[in-house]
Amino acid sequence: KAGVTQTPRYLIKTRGQQVTLSCSPISGHRSVSWYQQTPGQGLQFLFEYFSETQRNKGNFPGRFSGRQFSNSRSEMNVSTLELGDSALYLCASSFGYGSPLHFGNGTRLTVT
Amino acid sequence: KQEVTQIPAALSVPEGENLVLNCSFTDSAIYNLQWFRQDPGKGLTSLLLIQSSQREQTSGRLNASLDKSSGRSTLYIAASQPGDSATYLCAVMPGDGGATNKLIFGTGTLLAVQP
Repeated sequence: KAGVTQTPRYLIKTRGQQVTLSCSPISGHRSVSWYQQTPGQGLQFLFEYFSETQRNKGNFPGRFSGRQFSNSRSEMNVSTLELGDSALYLCASSFGYGSPLHFGNGTRLTVT
Repeated sequence: KQEVTQIPAALSVPEGENLVLNCSFTDSAIYNLQWFRQDPGKGLTSLLLIQSSQREQTSGRLNASLDKSSGRSTLYIAASQPGDSATYLCAVMPGDGGATNKLIFGTGTLLAVQP
């Protein structure tokens, strides 16, 4: 069974640009959540989608947004990039509420 | 506001030693607690999940316990091996009735097992 797939693995962007990250969950998983990992703040919850609906959102500015498609694949978008957005962005999928989360290998975003 | 703390921040042990990693959380209203490991540059690998009604879970050489009333969990690793070297993270899922898979993570324990 294929795991969670995140693309691309690495991204380098310039301040002010926007970026889109993609996540394909494990087959059959309908919940997809996104996390930001930085050395200073650790792992922080961004948002979660279930059946194309955002169920919860973390404490991040509106520049961070996401969506989920009917096949459960998800994308997150960051607009007007700032240097502080440099981080490892991790996607996790789950079968349902309270089930174990399975993480992808992440997208490493560097903003210069 | 739920806060999760892990002690120690780093740990170095010789191969073969048994060890305990600690995790504490401030709000006992949790739905479950999960332990993960993270290898450098990689994502998280799920190790164990303990439901709030459970006291412990075991998988191979790993045993995780949960004391919800005191806000503590421990991860016990038996007969450690160099391949166990990684960062270990605990995370709690709030039991606030929100029915979302939001996890609140601790800061992790960096484990090095010396051959």
